[in-house]
Amino acid sequence: GAVVSQHPSRVICKSGTSVKIECRSLDFQATTMFWYRQFPKQSLMLMATSNEGSKATYEQGVEKDKFLINHASLTLSTLTVTSAHPEDSSFYICSARDTDGRNIQYFGAGTRLSVL
Amino acid sequence: AQKVTQAQTEISVVEKEDVTLDCVYETRDTTYYLFWYKQPPSGELVFLIRRNSFDEQNEISGRYSWNFQKSTSSFNFTITASQVVDSAVYFCALSEIYSGAGSYQLTFGKGTKLSVIP
Repeated sequence: GAVVSQHPSRVICKSGTSVKIECRSLDFQATTMFWYRQFPKQSLMLMATSNEGSKATYEQGVEKDKFLINHASLTLSTLTVTSAHPEDSSFYICSARDTDGRNIQYFGAGTRLSVL
Repeated sequence: AQKVTQAQTEISVVEKEDVTLDCVYETRDTTYYLFWYKQPPSGELVFLIRRNSFDEQNEISGRYSWNFQKSTSSFNFTITASQVVDSAVYFCALSEIYSGAGSYQLTFGKGTKLSVIP
């Protein structure tokens, strides 16, 4: 149980294009999902908190127009990196918090974005 | 503000040795959750354990054990008889139990990279 699926696992794109990353909770409902960014050999940096049916809450310094988040259902949140540039290249990882009251975040396998 | 410190950046052990990963935290909350996650080279974070601040009992799960000491604000993780498959980055994390904003965000440490040498 508690499986989070994240797609794609890897994407290479040209500068200026937009990339959409999906995060799905497969066997549980998640009213809250989180998006993180991880630089090599570093910890996870929270980018935003996504709540189903409402606007995402972005952390300080994260451009909401650059990183569009949609959480349209209890099992799906998407992150769209708009007009990607080489500095957006990174490892993006999502998590979903189970609504069973145990407050455990389960993570997806991550997406490695490379912008040429 | 919450803070999690994992002072050990990298540890190398020989297979079958025991190894302890340290985690020290800071929080103003009187109640909170502590977590350990494992991140193998594939990248996915794997949930290992959640401990709430009410419960100071140590926990054992197979070769894994956790020592929660509220008096020293530490939540250390020990792997007994380490194996090559234990090689990964291990993250300690902290979250509030009662979130006024409803977000229950995790505060992560910087992680400890464990290399188990055959």
